Amino acid sequence: DVKVTQSSRYLVKRTGEKVFLECVQDMDHENMFWYRQDPGLGLRLIYFSYDVKMKEKGDIPEGYSVSREKKERFSLILESASTNQTSMYLCASSLMGRGSTEAFFGQGTRLTVV
Amino acid sequence: QQQVKQSPQSLIVQKGGISIINCAYENTAFDYFPWYQQFPGKGPALLIAIRPDVSEKKEGRFTISFNKSAKQFSLHIMDSQPGDSATYFCAASMLSNTGKLIFGQGTTLQVKP
Repeated sequence: DVKVTQSSRYLVKRTGEKVFLECVQDMDHENMFWYRQDPGLGLRLIYFSYDVKMKEKGDIPEGYSVSREKKERFSLILESASTNQTSMYLCASSLMGRGSTEAFFGQGTRLTVV
Repeated sequence: QQQVKQSPQSLIVQKGGISIINCAYENTAFDYFPWYQQFPGKGPALLIAIRPDVSEKKEGRFTISFNKSAKQFSLHIMDSQPGDSATYFCAASMLSNTGKLIFGQGTTLQVKP
C-alpha cells in the first residue's frame, strides 16, 4: 500500500513565523507535489518536484519555498507565515509519466496562522 | 489562469439519480484526465481516468465522457447513492512530460436519501 505521510494534521502558527510542513512517501515515486486546498478554489499547485533537488513552481508559489534533499521527502516552507496562508495543505506523490500518473495524497495539514 | 475549469461548484441529487460534473481544459498537450474523490478528513483518491484516444470509459456506476474537439470531459455517476456524497475533482496532466497534475475547482456532491 502506498503511503504518503504528512507530519502534522493540525498546526497553529503566529504571523511572521517560519513554518515547515513535512511529507514522506514510501513508494519510490519520482514526483512529489504540494497543493493548497481552499473552498471554491479547488487544489492549487504550489510546487512540484520531479527528482531530488529539482523543483518547479506551480500556480501559487509566492510566499513558499520547498526542499527535496532525499527522494522520499518533500518539505514545504512558509518563509514568513501570513494569515492568508491559513489553509489545508496536501502533499502527493506519483510516478513520472509511463502510462498513468495516479497521485497518492496524504491526509492533509490544516494550518491556521494567527 | 485556471487551466482546468470545473462546474458546478455544488450539486444535490436524489438517491438513484444521475450526477453530472463537467470540466473544460485549455492546453491541448494534456493527455491524461483523471477524476479524484475526496471524503471529509481524507486526501483525494483516484476514482477513474481517461486518455484522449477514447471517448468514454466506464467503471461500475462511474463513467467519463470525453470530447476532444470541445476540450471538455465529464463525470457521470449513475444510480447515485448517499455514500457517493463527497467532493470530486477533475484534473489534467501531460504523461509525455513529468506528469504534473493540474486540478479543477472541485464539486461538492450531496446525494439525498
